Amino acid sequence: DVKVTQSSRYLVKRTGEKVFLECVQDMDHENMFWYRQDPGLGLRLIYFSYDVKMKEKGDIPEGYSVSREKKERFSLILESASTNQTSMYLCATGGTPSYEQYFGPGTRLTVT
Amino acid sequence: GESVGLHLPTLSVQEGDNSIINCAYSNSASDYFIWYKQESGKGPQFIIDIRSNMDKRQGQRVTVLLNKTVKHLSLQIAATQPGDSAVYFCAEIPIRSGNTGKLIFGQGTTLQVKP
Repeated sequence: DVKVTQSSRYLVKRTGEKVFLECVQDMDHENMFWYRQDPGLGLRLIYFSYDVKMKEKGDIPEGYSVSREKKERFSLILESASTNQTSMYLCATGGTPSYEQYFGPGTRLTVT
Repeated sequence: GESVGLHLPTLSVQEGDNSIINCAYSNSASDYFIWYKQESGKGPQFIIDIRSNMDKRQGQRVTVLLNKTVKHLSLQIAATQPGDSAVYFCAEIPIRSGNTGKLIFGQGTTLQVKP
């Protein structure tokens, strides 16, 4: 079974803090994704990576950056957290050519 | 712009009945469609997929129907059980996304199963 783990299930941070969310997968997948999920807005893609050190912006990259130094690990960084970044963050992975994405359990981030 | 939407935010069914969850998509060039199930406190989980060259695909208790003429996708769940209670998302992959597997998700339908 594919396993996608996220570093925290719940996180509370203060406005202006730098926040790191980590995602690790054990299936040697090339593609990794970060989404945020908000009520009424569904899942929105923040960034994705199709190879080590490669990244592309998704639909809502503003206020976020990412890092992929190793194939199994994809980090989402909030350089200066703001209250409008309070959300559920979901990491996903996918192999090629399969389009099926496997999701982690999510991190519920609250910025106060 | 592109969007994938669902007709109803909430669907309530009796245990044992069949459920039908609908999704309308806007990108006629999309090549691939997926249904995901998200239980409370968990990430979305793959249920079933269908390619644009197919009209129907069946899995265990689930069937996906694709009507390209009206750009409509549906998920049918037979003999709905309490464990089917969840939020269901449809997603599409536009052809232009290549092999990155970038998905466009709909907003989700909450399925509530009454005992």
